This record gives sequence, structure tokens and C-alpha cells, in this order.
Amino acid sequence: DAKTTQPNSMESNEEEPVHLPCNHSTISGTDYIHWYRQLPSQGPEYVIHGLTSNVNNRMASLAIAEDRKSSTLILHRATLRDAAVYYCILSRQPHYGGSQGNLIFGKGTKLSVKP
Amino acid sequence: DTGVSQDPRHKITKRGQNVTFRCDPISEHNRLYWYRQTLGQGPEFLTYFQNEAQLEKSRLLSDRFSAERPKGSFSTLEIQRTEQGDSAMYLCASSLPQGVTGELFFGEGSRLTVL
Repeated sequence: DAKTTQPNSMESNEEEPVHLPCNHSTISGTDYIHWYRQLPSQGPEYVIHGLTSNVNNRMASLAIAEDRKSSTLILHRATLRDAAVYYCILSRQPHYGGSQGNLIFGKGTKLSVKP
Repeated sequence: DTGVSQDPRHKITKRGQNVTFRCDPISEHNRLYWYRQTLGQGPEFLTYFQNEAQLEKSRLLSDRFSAERPKGSFSTLEIQRTEQGDSAMYLCASSLPQGVTGELFFGEGSRLTVL
């Protein structure tokens, strides 16, 4: 399975945008890019995912590099509630040999938000 | 239905005892997953069900662990003869048929402490 690399931690100020980077240089053309986050004492929460094109939803935006070797999760205005560990995960589509159940979480990026 | 429900939220047991965790998925979700998370690490995949069929198991799922989903709705995860190394958060998730290529919904987890 392709691996991802994320900074261990990042800091942000409240109400400012946050750009969380993820490197995945060994990504294959059939791998989806997922972002989940985990608030303290809670289970992971889905944030966004994409394959090739940039994606937007109510929580965040996902910017995918043209060569797909990196991506950036963008929180447009950080709030204190966004303080969490953010995981960047790759999943291969099952008919290309990917697992049907296994999302491989790394250690993620711990985001701190200052008031 | 407000999400994935797990019970108990906390369990303290003595080494050698058996413990069982229950997971109630979101009602229309046919896929159910178990993950384990130790302190400071990301979640690790244990097993996954499609309806009542257990389709994938991780090497982490030793023979002391057994998971069931008898009627394709709720699931149980039993750990026999617990060891201190089993202390972890046990997370359940559910999803629609697209599985890991879509969105997984996680519960808040069951924290196990083995003394």
C-alpha cells in the first residue's frame, strides 16, 4: 500500500485559513485520497476525499497536485473545534487489488488552534 | 438514528478475563468495520463485514479475538483471556456499499484497560 507523509504537528490562529499538507509520492492512478480527523476522546470523522480533481464540501477543500504526489487539506476559517489530529489516507479501489475494509491510518498531523 | 453506537464506552478488566464489545451501525449500512487504536497511534484495521459475512481479517486479529455480525445488523467483538497488550480503544465503523472508497462513519469507541 502506498504511504503518506504528514508533519507531526501544526499551529493555526482562530479564523485564519489552514493548509495541511500530505505527501504521497508512491500513489497509483487508482488510489483515492481521504482525509479524516479525530477530536480528543472521539472516533475518527470523515472530512473529504478525492481521486484526481480538487474537491469542496461544507467542511473543507481538498487540493490535489497535478502529478497527484501530494495534496493539501484546506480549512478556510479555523475554529477552536477544528483542533484535532488530521489523517491523510490512501485507499486503492477494490477491483484494482485494494482492501475492501482497511484504511491505513498513519500518525497524522496534530492541529492546534489558538484563540 | 444518530450514528454508530458502541457499548460499553469504558471497560476495566483483569488479565485473563473475557470481554465483549457491541457495535450498532447506522441502520441502512451493510458494511461494518472494527479498528483498534493505542495511545499516540492511528487506528489499525482488525476486520470487516459485509452484511453477516466476515470478508477480511487483519493479522492483528489473533485467535483470542472473535467478531460476529449474526443478523447483518449489530456486531460483537470478543477478546478471550485478555492480556495487558490488549489495552486500547476499539473502534467500530459502518458504511454504505462503496466501503473505504467512500465515507466510513466511526463510533466513539470502547476503551479497554487490562490490569
